[in-house]
Amino acid sequence: QKEVEQNSGPLSVPEGAIASLNCTYSDRGSQSFFWYRQYSGKSPELIMFIYSNGDKEDGRFTAQLNKASQYVSLLIRDSQPSDSATYLCAVRGYNFNKFYFGSGTKLNVKP
Amino acid sequence: ETGVTQTPRHLVMGMTNKKSLKCEQHLGHNAMYWYKQSAKKPLELMFVYSLEERVENNSVPSRFSPECPNSSHLFLHLHTLQPEDSALYLCASSQGTGRGAANEQFFGPGTRLTVL
Repeated sequence: QKEVEQNSGPLSVPEGAIASLNCTYSDRGSQSFFWYRQYSGKSPELIMFIYSNGDKEDGRFTAQLNKASQYVSLLIRDSQPSDSATYLCAVRGYNFNKFYFGSGTKLNVKP
Repeated sequence: ETGVTQTPRHLVMGMTNKKSLKCEQHLGHNAMYWYKQSAKKPLELMFVYSLEERVENNSVPSRFSPECPNSSHLFLHLHTLQPEDSALYLCASSQGTGRGAANEQFFGPGTRLTVL
């Protein structure tokens, strides 16, 4: 069983729509949850992190965490073509050094 | 620019070669990391250094040897690699290794390694 699971996509949405990216994790003891964006040929860059159940909003991005369901999601409102990238979900366990990434979901935002 | 630099950006080496990857962070961070990113696979954490002390080695083969001479520099020494070691090697740094927001990781641009 993978530590972090993501649908590889691609997920295609029209410009201006809401993109919803999902991630599940296996370790119930996980403490911290992160979303990274990775453009082709580039390194990952942190978009958001969340520690507590519920929603966390930052501009067009909203991270949602449900620890009971072991589920974390990222919503991108008013999607732009520049949002087209691979989105990586990462989960950190109780030990700081247990940091696991999903394989990523490729998002295509069509003009 | 994240404040984390890596050299070289691209490296081609034979299985009998010895080479080193270099990472430098200009952020004043205390923790540094090596990750491996292979095609179609998740990022794999290889090594973690905190205050120049190695605190994690995720069952990485001994042909990969890390070195952290100070909190700003991290090396990955490579020898007798295999073709399956071809991947993007990413360095990251963070303020610390605790759970807090200040300890988020910033990645360098990576070294694309090809082993022939």
